Amino acid sequence: EVQVVESGGGLEQPGGSLRLSCAGSGFTFSNYAMSWARQAPGKGLEWVSAITASGDTTYYADSMKGRFTISRDSSENTVYLQLNSLRVEDTALYYCVKGGWGTPVDIWGQGTMVTVSS
Amino acid sequence: QAVVTQEPSLTVSPGGTVTLTCGSSTGAVTSGLFPYWFQQKPGQAPRTLIYDISKKHSWAPARFSGSLLGGKAALTLSGAQPEDEAEYYCALYYSGVGVFGGGTKLTVL
Repeated sequence: EVQVVESGGGLEQPGGSLRLSCAGSGFTFSNYAMSWARQAPGKGLEWVSAITASGDTTYYADSMKGRFTISRDSSENTVYLQLNSLRVEDTALYYCVKGGWGTPVDIWGQGTMVTVSS
Repeated sequence: QAVVTQEPSLTVSPGGTVTLTCGSSTGAVTSGLFPYWFQQKPGQAPRTLIYDISKKHSWAPARFSGSLLGGKAALTLSGAQPEDEAEYYCALYYSGVGVFGGGTKLTVL
């Protein structure tokens, strides 16, 4: 079964950092771009970031550029999202998504919740 | 960053047909923006239905179809079922950077 499973969410103070992880299974991880999207409580989806299959190119939404960093370790079938300088408005359910630029988006994870509050 | 627009809400009768649209602030939606459509039901993760305008994933019901219509991407539901009541999001890609629309709440009534 093809799946992606997120972890690493939690409660963090404004200005703090978190590292989200997403483990892929059931597919050849190194062949696929990977993406992150988020959804604030009661709000719509917001695209966050993506990384190509090779890992040599990354993309970010304007509002996250410079604060968030996506990376991948294909030997571990894992993609990461480093969240720095967290703001209250970053509070959201963060979804890992298989696919992105160059490979079709298909499978979504169940999400990991990030709460930024003092 | 570009803005992607969708109808906030639509209603369709059971068995009826409805078309949702997805527009871009940069102009006409073309194949180069790789339009996607996602379905999200309350309490669930989104599910990808359509990619590259009209290509369907294996799990997408045959009653859903994608197209370009009047300079926008379109999702047409033919023969609506009660289980199709959900939020539908489109997404467009601008040189690798994705942008979601605000979503369309579809009511089957």
